Amino acid sequence: GAVVSQHPSRVICKSGTSVKIECRSLDFQATTMFWYRQFPKQSLMLMATSNEGSKATYEQGVEKDKFLINHASLTLSTLTVTSAHPEDSSFYICSATGTQNTEAFFGQGTRLTVV
Amino acid sequence: AQSVTQPDIHITVSEGASLELRCNYSYGATPYLFWYVQSPGQGLQLLLKYFSGDTLVQGIKGFEAEFKRSQSSFNLRKPSVHWSDAAEYFCALNTNAGKSTFGDGTTLTVKP
Repeated sequence: GAVVSQHPSRVICKSGTSVKIECRSLDFQATTMFWYRQFPKQSLMLMATSNEGSKATYEQGVEKDKFLINHASLTLSTLTVTSAHPEDSSFYICSATGTQNTEAFFGQGTRLTVV
Repeated sequence: AQSVTQPDIHITVSEGASLELRCNYSYGATPYLFWYVQSPGQGLQLLLKYFSGDTLVQGIKGFEAEFKRSQSSFNLRKPSVHWSDAAEYFCALNTNAGKSTFGDGTTLTVKP
């Protein structure tokens, strides 16, 4: 199956700093990438949808100025958490779809801890 | 808007017993349905998926699921549970745009 690689797998940062998370499709061109957030003991909630070369579409309640998404190529999307605070600590997971769109392939996730 | 409901928050079964995890969905078009498993601190592992065709789908680790359109259900089953199956299980629905909607998850505990 298609492979999506997400880095880093874990990151600890100080409050007020920014963190960038990368999501790469390794063996297919990802026309669309999605970013999800998962708090402990909860389900995955969609944060935003990004299409290559376009601005990301954010779900209601997600601050677009805080969670910057860039999808500059068909194989790479990045999520930057700006001015991170402890409440941003969470598990962030990306997924990517190819031209068929019926199945999304998930990255391994990134555990962000803000101290 | 689409939605996925997993009615059981937590299920406990004895090792060797059978398992059924329930999943109901709401979507106005053809659903693409998935079951994922997640161990603590880990990402998602795809167990199986349904797009079309045979309504009984086989997955990895001995899991199977049956799609029932009339009941809007996609229940996951396993005839004999192993201790290593203890984890969080998520049912998900994809739209034709690739967006995934997840249920709240079911935590499976396996008793020795």
